[in-house]
Amino acid sequence: EAGVVQSPRYKIIEKKQPVAFWCNPISGHNTLYWYRQNLGQGPELLIRYENEEAVDDSQLPKDRFSAERLKGVDSTLKIQPAELGDSAVYLCASSSGRGSYNEQFFGPGTRLTVL
Amino acid sequence: TQLLEQSPQFLSIQEGENLTVYCNSSSVFSSLQWYRQEPGEGPVLLVTVVTGGEVKKLKRLTFQFGDARKDSSLHITAAQPGDTGLYLCAGASADSWGKLQFGAGTQVVVTP
Repeated sequence: EAGVVQSPRYKIIEKKQPVAFWCNPISGHNTLYWYRQNLGQGPELLIRYENEEAVDDSQLPKDRFSAERLKGVDSTLKIQPAELGDSAVYLCASSSGRGSYNEQFFGPGTRLTVL
Repeated sequence: TQLLEQSPQFLSIQEGENLTVYCNSSSVFSSLQWYRQEPGEGPVLLVTVVTGGEVKKLKRLTFQFGDARKDSSLHITAAQPGDTGLYLCAGASADSWGKLQFGAGTQVVVTP
């Protein structure tokens, strides 16, 4: 079974430029998460989707960040314009919502560097 | 702000030694998960503990959930270089299913 797929793996941009990250969750997983992981820190949730609905976006900086999950499968996270402080690893995770305890499966992440 | 405090932040040991990593919080969690993350990869789930006082073993790894469900520990026996990685604990609250709070992690390095 394929895991969570993310692209690109690395991205280097100049500040004020836009950037987008793409995520394909595990087949059949209705719940999708975007996290940001700063160096030396654990992941912090940005947004959570149940199917195509964003059910928790309280930590998403909405002035510059946006996300969508059309048709409840793939998702895109966008930053426009990027700032130096946005440099981090952006992780996508998915879970089935079935069974116990919200076990999440993570993709490899996109490492963003803003110059 | 990380609600889960992990200690130590960094641990370097020789192959064959034992180690313990701690995860503490003032909050009660309905479940707690341990992940291991290797460079350039996402976290991989190791175990989920849900009952206060629970002990789970995964080969050389032993996980314990505190009686009050506020803390947890991970013990590795006879560590191997393949155990090298960032160990993250993550807690879920009963009133916020689907939202995990992660600790900052403990970086473990096992040298041959």
